[in-house]
Amino acid sequence: EPEVTQTPSHQVTQMGQEVILRCVPISNHLYFYWYRQILGQKVEFLVSFYNNEISEKSEIFDDQFSVERPDGSNFTLKIRSTKLEDSAMYFCASSDTGADTEAFFGQGTRLTVV
Amino acid sequence: EDQVTQSPEALRLQEGESSSLNCSYTVSGLRGLFWYRQDPGKGPEFLFTLYSAGEEKEKERLKATLTKKESFLHITAPKPEDSATYLCAVRSSGSARQLTFGSGTQLTVLP
Repeated sequence: EPEVTQTPSHQVTQMGQEVILRCVPISNHLYFYWYRQILGQKVEFLVSFYNNEISEKSEIFDDQFSVERPDGSNFTLKIRSTKLEDSAMYFCASSDTGADTEAFFGQGTRLTVV
Repeated sequence: EDQVTQSPEALRLQEGESSSLNCSYTVSGLRGLFWYRQDPGKGPEFLFTLYSAGEEKEKERLKATLTKKESFLHITAPKPEDSATYLCAVRSSGSARQLTFGSGTQLTVLP
């Protein structure tokens, strides 16, 4: 069964450092997303990406964040200068081209900023 | 602003004891209501999509229903392996593809 894969599963970084979280979406999907979940809180939307550009972003997704599809299979989230409050589980998701189809999520990257 | 409220926050059931989880929503035009299952430390696993009031979907011991204001996830004769957090999410006409999630119901099924 096709699945979204994320690497690494856990990353620890120093405050102020740049991190790149990586995702391989399901192969025939064209919409890609990043969500995050701070421990004990709701899953929150960060950004959606389609046709090589951001289609929607939340207030959380400020200038410190960026996304990229560097090749035909990977989708990345970069945080330029991490803060303590960026510590969370980051989930990548993808969906096909149907107007309101479901999103399939990866297993997440646990980011710990120290 | 879209809002999703789930209740109860936590639910403990004996194996075989059926129950329902509630998801109340306020959106500017519902384009889809989604149920996910989340195990500890894992990503949400897709269960169901509902699009219009009156719609029902079933999968094994789970059945999801939808009205104009809320959705229910009915669990019939649950087993310990059904223990997880169940998340409800909505997509509204006010957003392109974004999902707004509720806080979830943590279900524990005791053997």
